[in-house]
Amino acid sequence: AQTVTQSQPEMSVQEAETVTLSCTYDTSENNYYLFWYKQPPSRQMILVIRQEAYKQQNATENRFSVNFQKAAKSFSLKISDSQLGDTAMYFCAFMKGETSGSRLTFGEGTQLTVNP
Amino acid sequence: DAMVIQNPRYQVTQFGKPVTLSCSQTLNHNVMYWYQQKSSQAPKLLFHYYDKDFNNEADTPDNFQSRRPNTSFCFLDIRSPGLGDAAMYLCATSSDRSEQYFGPGTRLTVT
Repeated sequence: AQTVTQSQPEMSVQEAETVTLSCTYDTSENNYYLFWYKQPPSRQMILVIRQEAYKQQNATENRFSVNFQKAAKSFSLKISDSQLGDTAMYFCAFMKGETSGSRLTFGEGTQLTVNP
Repeated sequence: DAMVIQNPRYQVTQFGKPVTLSCSQTLNHNVMYWYQQKSSQAPKLLFHYYDKDFNNEADTPDNFQSRRPNTSFCFLDIRSPGLGDAAMYLCATSSDRSEQYFGPGTRLTVT
């Protein structure tokens, strides 16, 4: 079974600064995907970024980037130039690379607050 | 725009009164999921459909049932809601080996 751990229940950052959210996971799989989802107060789950385990290059989406360390089983999210709209719960999630109904295993979440 | 739609957005039901939540999608994804999420917790998978094949999670109570009459629609039935079933219910869809796309959720209140 897979586990995902987010060790920071809450974090805060000043607007325009950079913040890094931590995530570690445990798996015996070799083929898998990792995601960061954002859930603002509206409770809509929004995909932030996706990383395929077989890719060495770290994924980047505008102000969001990851530091994927496969050997260490670490998958951190860096948010640059933080904006007030980035205030949300952030979930790290793992998915096996199987074809039939891919389950997500979520971490406990990190509540990020961006302060003006 | 292709999307996942959930109705209603807010549902109030009485203790023990059956309730049905609905989810529809225009993404033509073959997999649909139902999650339960309580405050400040991660979503908990209840079950999912891979095409017409139903997959129940081992710890999903028998009180929860689901139907998928066609590719676009999926329903969550709660046969006898208890106070502990008050939560946000999230529907999600995916195609094989892709990320999941979530609907806006239905907030269920049990009185």
